[in-house]
Amino acid sequence: NAGVTQTPKFRILKIGQSMTLQCTQDMNHNYMYWYRQDPGMGLKLIYYSVGAGITDKGEVPNGYNVSRSTTEDFPLRLELAAPSQTSVYFCASSSLDRVNREKLFFGSGTQLSVL
Amino acid sequence: GNSVTQMEGPVTLSEEAFLTINCTYTATGYPSLFWYVQYPGEGLQLLLKATKADDKGSNKGFEATYRKETTSFHLEKGSVQVSDSAVYFCALSEGGRGSNYKLTFGKGTLLTVNP
Repeated sequence: NAGVTQTPKFRILKIGQSMTLQCTQDMNHNYMYWYRQDPGMGLKLIYYSVGAGITDKGEVPNGYNVSRSTTEDFPLRLELAAPSQTSVYFCASSSLDRVNREKLFFGSGTQLSVL
Repeated sequence: GNSVTQMEGPVTLSEEAFLTINCTYTATGYPSLFWYVQYPGEGLQLLLKATKADDKGSNKGFEATYRKETTSFHLEKGSVQVSDSAVYFCALSEGGRGSNYKLTFGKGTLLTVNP
């Protein structure tokens, strides 16, 4: 059971570099989310998607972009990395089913440092 | 907007001790409430939930009651184990008709249980 898979697990970037954090899920979930987790600050929603071709901004979208060309994949793009983007990034998904919509399944995270 | 406030950690207990982690919330309407748990090196996973006032969510010996009058959802366990050591997050969903059920998380409380 793969669930939600994120790659890479760790990455160090230099200021101004770009990268894509990959996220894929094999549960046929419609909803997908990107969160960042800063120490002592909990999780903040960056972007979310309610289905293929549909994305929307969350609480902290600046400096990031997303796309959702398939149900399975929801990559997060950092175009010009900044030290403020040093964080742990979590991808999550949930089903369309009303009862389980709020049961998010999380990947194991990507630890990103921007130096 | 919606917000969740958790008690500050870290919390350190001996095995078999009683656990309470406080959580209060601010929301418009009638949110659903959740506790998520994050074990070391892993993503978050749903521990329990309650969808309306006076509901009690329970799982793995943990329980929490949705108290609308005090806007609280405190997590309790009668006898903790070393394996309960983790970070615990209280969360609420916007819910409501037409919502994509985005979650708002608290900052998390680190629990360490010593043998």
